[in-house]
Amino acid sequence: EVQLVESGGSLVQPGGSLRLSCAASGFTFSSFEFNWVRQAPGKGLEWISYIGSRGRKIYYADSVKGRFSISRDNAKSALYLQMDSLTVEDTAIYYCARVQADERGYLGLFDHWGQGALVTVSS
Amino acid sequence: EIVMTQSPATLSVSPGERVTLSCRASQNIHSNLAWYQQKPGQAPRLLISGASTRATNIPGRFSASGSGTEFTLTISSLQSEDFAIYYCQQYNSWPPWTFGQGTKVEIK
Repeated sequence: EVQLVESGGSLVQPGGSLRLSCAASGFTFSSFEFNWVRQAPGKGLEWISYIGSRGRKIYYADSVKGRFSISRDNAKSALYLQMDSLTVEDTAIYYCARVQADERGYLGLFDHWGQGALVTVSS
Repeated sequence: EIVMTQSPATLSVSPGERVTLSCRASQNIHSNLAWYQQKPGQAPRLLISGASTRATNIPGRFSASGSGTEFTLTISSLQSEDFAIYYCQQYNSWPPWTFGQGTKVEIK
């Protein structure tokens, strides 16, 4: 069974830092690409970062570029999100999501999601 | 960036009714569209990929269609467990991946 389990969410002051982790199991982690998606309270889904299977290809949304850093450790089947210079607008549930190709082989849908980690930025 | 627009924002329906949700893309995304269901306190769940293909273990009452810029998700007979928020997402051109703002299906 595919499992993604986020951890590391907490209350942090504006300007602070936090590192989220996503532990994967039930599949060959190194074969897949991943994303972080967040959801502010009562709001919709916002993609924020992507990492390729080897960690060489990385993308960020403009809203987090220069402040957040995505990484992975294939030996540990783990995905990470380092978040610096946090603002109140970063308050959200953060999900890791596995990238999969559809039935036509077109890559880009999110077939499995973790349960989310709550990050609250407040003084 | 491709903008995804869903309508309506909220649908109030009774169990057993048929419901249709709409999603529009700001440019041609072919069939590279997914639908997700999110229940309160839960992560999103993949329902549909390739605009019309049900994901594993998704009941047959869920169907979807469309291509280009106009897409629909239909639930043929709403069950109690289907009350949730539904999001469409384009994966034709990324980054960024973009989602619609969601349609909430609530009990009438």
